[in-house]
Amino acid sequence: AQKVTQAQTEISVVEKEDVTLDCVYETRDTTYYLFWYKQPPSGELVFLIRRNSFDEQNEISGRYSWNFQKSTSSFNFTITASQVVDSAVYFCALSEAMNTGFQKLVFGTGTRLLVSP
Amino acid sequence: DAGVIQSPRHEVTEMGQEVTLRCKPISGHNSLFWYRQTMMRGLELLIYFNNNVPIDDSGMPEDRFSAKMPNASFSTLKIQPSEPRDSAVYFCASSRRQGETTAGYTFGSGTRLTVV
Repeated sequence: AQKVTQAQTEISVVEKEDVTLDCVYETRDTTYYLFWYKQPPSGELVFLIRRNSFDEQNEISGRYSWNFQKSTSSFNFTITASQVVDSAVYFCALSEAMNTGFQKLVFGTGTRLLVSP
Repeated sequence: DAGVIQSPRHEVTEMGQEVTLRCKPISGHNSLFWYRQTMMRGLELLIYFNNNVPIDDSGMPEDRFSAKMPNASFSTLKIQPSEPRDSAVYFCASSRRQGETTAGYTFGSGTRLTVV
């Protein structure tokens, strides 16, 4: 069975600090996708990144970066120089891959990030 | 692209009443998912469809919940009769075949259901 673990329930930082959100996953599939979503106080789910299981290259997008390591089944997310607007709940998620479409998306429990001025 | 459209945004109903949540997926997407979010259980999948066919409804809480997808552009989630413990935010999401889009899943804005 697929499982996503986000051990950090809540993280508090001061603006401009770097912060890393941890994500550990379990799956028996050899092909799968990993995701990060942001849920701001307004409640919508905002897509941040998708990673294929066969692509372990790390990715950077502005202040965001992702570290995917299959050896440890981890897909960690780092925000550099955090800002108050980064305050949100962040979800890591996993799905299998099918030719007919994506399988169900399994979410972690989320990490609430509080960035104070 | 209007995104995934859910209605209503907010619903307040009395216990025992029937509630119908609606979702319009993105045109061309062939998979549709219904999720429920609560403080206690987080984001949990209720049911999903591929090409309008229900694939996995193991997450549907009980017989009071039912979902339909009569065509590729519309789905409903019905609760009858509703109970206070059904209060939650219900999200609908759609997706295309793998590899055709970077985002994979696009979520609607959600329906906040309150059963009093």
